[in-house]
Amino acid sequence: DQQVKQNSPSLSVQEGRISILNCDYTNSMFDYFLWYKKYPAEGPTFLISISSIKDKNEDGRFTVFLNKSAKHLSLHIVPSQPGDSAVYFCAASEKETSGSRLTFGEGTQLTVNP
Amino acid sequence: DGGITQSPKYLFRKEGQNVTLSCEQNLNHDAMYWYRQDPGQGLRLIYYSQIVNDFQKGDIAEGYSVSREKKESFPLTVTSAQKNPTAFYLCASSPWDRPLYGYTFGSGTRLTVV
Repeated sequence: DQQVKQNSPSLSVQEGRISILNCDYTNSMFDYFLWYKKYPAEGPTFLISISSIKDKNEDGRFTVFLNKSAKHLSLHIVPSQPGDSAVYFCAASEKETSGSRLTFGEGTQLTVNP
Repeated sequence: DGGITQSPKYLFRKEGQNVTLSCEQNLNHDAMYWYRQDPGQGLRLIYYSQIVNDFQKGDIAEGYSVSREKKESFPLTVTSAQKNPTAFYLCASSPWDRPLYGYTFGSGTRLTVV
């Protein structure tokens, strides 16, 4: 039972354009959502998060949008840079019952071409 | 310089042998986690611990065991009962009650059964 799904295993964009990574979830109890970035043979690093009381959170080139009614969130990277090439994981937490325990999606491999 | 350390980076095990993966953190985090990464399956939770001397099974605990005798340390033992142990193992830590801050991950241990 995959509660957090990233349906696109890979995405390729040109440098300077927008990258949009999508994530869907099924558990309506999820209150917090996070994005992580992972390079090969390294641990993931925290990128940006959003609480369910918001629909948008921005940090520099990275913006996360949350649509609770559709149980969908997306990560926008503008402008995309070659150094952004990595696997991006979406994660979610239902704080009331599990504190900071996170459920991760399968990941999307982003490739930014120069 | 605070962080989370996993060792070794690469580990080879013969079938039928138990092996222990080390995870140490000096971030004063209460919670620690073990995840397993397989291609196309994202990060799956094996065990987690909110406090010393207490831990809970995650989604794929069969064939694994853990201990939490010290706040800083959360070793994972992969037993011979684990049917498909070859994978990339990630340890993480976090403040338990601050889900929006996410996890700090170690750099991982790649375990190969030979």
